[in-house]
Amino acid sequence: DTAVSQTPKYLVTQMGNDKSIKCEQNLGHDTMYWYKQDSKKFLKIMFSYNNKELIINETVPNRFSPKSPDKAHLNLHINSLELGDSAVYFCASSLEGPNTQYFGPGTRLTVL
Amino acid sequence: AQSVSQHNHHVILSEAASLELGCNYSYGGTVNLFWYVQYPGQHLQLLLKYFSGDPLVKGIKGFEAEFIKSKFSFNLRKPSVQWSDTAEYFCAVNGGFKTIFGAGTRLFVKA
Repeated sequence: DTAVSQTPKYLVTQMGNDKSIKCEQNLGHDTMYWYKQDSKKFLKIMFSYNNKELIINETVPNRFSPKSPDKAHLNLHINSLELGDSAVYFCASSLEGPNTQYFGPGTRLTVL
Repeated sequence: AQSVSQHNHHVILSEAASLELGCNYSYGGTVNLFWYVQYPGQHLQLLLKYFSGDPLVKGIKGFEAEFIKSKFSFNLRKPSVQWSDTAEYFCAVNGGFKTIFGAGTRLFVKA
């Protein structure tokens, strides 16, 4: 059984479009995260939700909007996509607090 | 503010060589420390972690790391690497609020 799943795995789109990435975890965790990994493999946190409440919101353009309909899901919507948004986006989850994070397989976004 | 520094960006070793990857962090309080590994084309997974207790922690696949509080370090070691250890290795630190990842070290092991 997949613990943290993301869809889609690959996303190729034109500049200016709006797209969404979905994430689901079946681990019963309270906290979920979105990370962006750039071409140099640098991993940067974007958002974190705990029990559907936003607790971390890093310096991310407001074109990026996370939504957590319930504890098991954290989706990422991106408006007006730009070339610089091309990256791999990882979803992760953990128990509340500084615990081990479990990562999804990643979504490779390519903006043309 | 928390920060994590991984000194080696690229490491190339031959099989059976010993490995040590450096990780230093800056944070004055109690920290939880992690090493994650990302195999080619895969997602990150936990290699080992330190929360408290014995500062020498053992993880999966023969890896270990030593927390040296006075040096703010948490270096990763393996006595004899294998070709299958080729991957990106990330050190991560949590000072209670959020986890900060280092820039990663790309390890390539020659068969």
